[in-house]
Amino acid sequence: NAGVTQTPKFQVLKTGQSMTLQCAQDMNHNSMYWYRQDPGMGLRLIYYSASEGTTDKGEVPNGYNVSRLNKREFSLRLESAAPSQTSVYFCASSASTGGAAPYFGPGTRLTVT
Amino acid sequence: GNSVTQMEGPVTLSEEAFLTINCTYTATGYPSLFWYVQYPGEGLQLLLKATKADDKGSNKGFEATYRKETTSFHLEKGSVQVSDSAVYFCALTLNDYKLSFGAGTTVTVRA
Repeated sequence: NAGVTQTPKFQVLKTGQSMTLQCAQDMNHNSMYWYRQDPGMGLRLIYYSASEGTTDKGEVPNGYNVSRLNKREFSLRLESAAPSQTSVYFCASSASTGGAAPYFGPGTRLTVT
Repeated sequence: GNSVTQMEGPVTLSEEAFLTINCTYTATGYPSLFWYVQYPGEGLQLLLKATKADDKGSNKGFEATYRKETTSFHLEKGSVQVSDSAVYFCALTLNDYKLSFGAGTTVTVRA
């Protein structure tokens, strides 16, 4: 049982390049999330998907897009990367009931130069 | 809005010392509360949770009690080990699928 998996683990981009971060979960969870982690700021929610077919903005959505491809997969796209998007990105998933604890993936460390 | 405030680190302790990390929250309604732990180079792991007032969450020797009257969820462990060195995050969620995190507290335990 892999839980939440993310690819890639590390990525370096030049300003203006695009890329997609992939996330998949095998726990049959309805809800999925993308967070970014920056020093001294905890984790901030970028986008979430409460159920298959729906996506909503979180606290810091600017510069990102998401796709809930199916129940298992939730991708995060950076269309034109900026140095301010240098961060560690975590995908998470949870049961559909509000108040359930999300399970996190191992993270993707992204550097934009 | 909803927010979580936790004590600033870093915290450095000797093995077998008592650990407390303070966490207070602001929320409109009655949130569920969590502590997550992040070991170096890894993702966040759920350490414990409490879903209503006076609930006590516990795991791996760690405990935290949901105190509605003081809007707090302090994390405690009676005797820490070197393997407890990590970053600890307090978090809350209401029934809206979104988790609000504190800034994290780095704990280092020396042998």
